[in-house]
Amino acid sequence: ETGVTQTPRHLVMGMTNKKSLKCEQHLGHNAMYWYKQSAKKPLELMFVYSLEERVENNSVPSRFSPECPNSSHLFLHLHTLQPEDSALYLCASSREAGLNTEAFFGQGTRLTVV
Amino acid sequence: GNSVTQMEGPVTLSEEAFLTINCTYTATGYPSLFWYVQYPGEGLQLLLKATKADDKGSNKGFEATYRKETTSFHLEKGSVQVSDSAVYFCALTVRWGGATNKLIFGTGTLLAVQP
Repeated sequence: ETGVTQTPRHLVMGMTNKKSLKCEQHLGHNAMYWYKQSAKKPLELMFVYSLEERVENNSVPSRFSPECPNSSHLFLHLHTLQPEDSALYLCASSREAGLNTEAFFGQGTRLTVV
Repeated sequence: GNSVTQMEGPVTLSEEAFLTINCTYTATGYPSLFWYVQYPGEGLQLLLKATKADDKGSNKGFEATYRKETTSFHLEKGSVQVSDSAVYFCALTVRWGGATNKLIFGTGTLLAVQP
């Protein structure tokens, strides 16, 4: 148990659906992250929230929309996804305390777009 | 740019064999270096870290030394166990967007240990 909880663990959605991924951390951290993990590719950082403010990552398509209502919760809203968006989506959190700060990861949401 | 390159897997070893997983990096400034491990069905967990040149990180019998001259952070273990079977990720942190840190990962190396 890392202190970072993601729900749901598995999600199957059609390309016209709208769904949301949820992440919650009970570690008192003030930075939260969304990563995408695809087979045989490096983990791809999608979004970073620091002190509840988003640090832009312009390379992520607009069909992914993050939301951070408070320092303990992070959402990833999904709409009109493509099959290539199928992947494991990992949430992480950390303290803003320098480059040697450890990130704590949730177990991930396995997303399948059909 | 900043990047991490690690050896492709899978790496298949017999129990009690010696393990080396190579990792090299490219970074501006002075990054911190990490090894994370992902067990089946789980998220990533920090295995060990090193924050400056010549530092050695160690945990659970695993070791890695921050080599600035060769820009490397190779993971080693003297005697692997079946329970070490997992995917291992090398990573570094750099500043991004002001005071925010960005973790950059390699592609991961699958280790399979056979009894």
